[in-house]
Amino acid sequence: AQSVTQPDIHITVSEGASLELRCNYSYGATPYLFWYVQSPGQGLQLLLKYFSGDTLVQGIKGFEAEFKRSQSSFNLRKPSVHWSDAAEYFCAVLANAGGTSYGKLTFGQGTILTVHP
Amino acid sequence: NAGVTQTPKFRVLKTGQSMTLLCAQDMNHEYMYWYRQDPGMGLRLIHYSVGEGTTAKGEVPDGYNVSRLKKQNFLLGLESAAPSQTSVYFCASSYRAGGQRADTQYFGPGTRLTVL
Repeated sequence: AQSVTQPDIHITVSEGASLELRCNYSYGATPYLFWYVQSPGQGLQLLLKYFSGDTLVQGIKGFEAEFKRSQSSFNLRKPSVHWSDAAEYFCAVLANAGGTSYGKLTFGQGTILTVHP
Repeated sequence: NAGVTQTPKFRVLKTGQSMTLLCAQDMNHEYMYWYRQDPGMGLRLIHYSVGEGTTAKGEVPDGYNVSRLKKQNFLLGLESAAPSQTSVYFCASSYRAGGQRADTQYFGPGTRLTVL
């Protein structure tokens, strides 16, 4: 079974600083990977996804993520954080369904980002 | 194009009461899902559906039932609510990609349920 680990429960950065949120996954085959963001009291919004091809993917709001198969990682980065980026971030892995009839999406526990002015 | 919508947004129940949460999507997605979100536990899949008239159990199905009578709607029912079902419930939907693989899931805004 697949699993996702986000080692950092809470990260605090200053506005304008760079950001990296870590995500490690466990899955036997080629994973499909996602980052979602959740603002307080809101639903989950897709930031970016990786299915295949270029291992550096660009997303919305200036975020990017790099897939590193050798490290089983899919870390999220942003060069300069804005106060509006304060939210909870979830990494998720979608199993390639293969013979199953649906794609199981497994989430990490989330990383809460606080941005200081 | 509203995407995925959920009704109601908030609800307070007493132990033993029943209720139904409604999820609707206007993207013509084949797959629909119900998750619950609890602090520190991410999202956990309750039930899912791969098409009209079909449903299946996810990771935490006990105490919940679902129905998908129409492609665009997915209902989550609690027959006898318990305090352990206090949570935020999210519905999601996705296309069926090549073969039987599901594609990106799009989420609704959530329903905050408190069971006293």
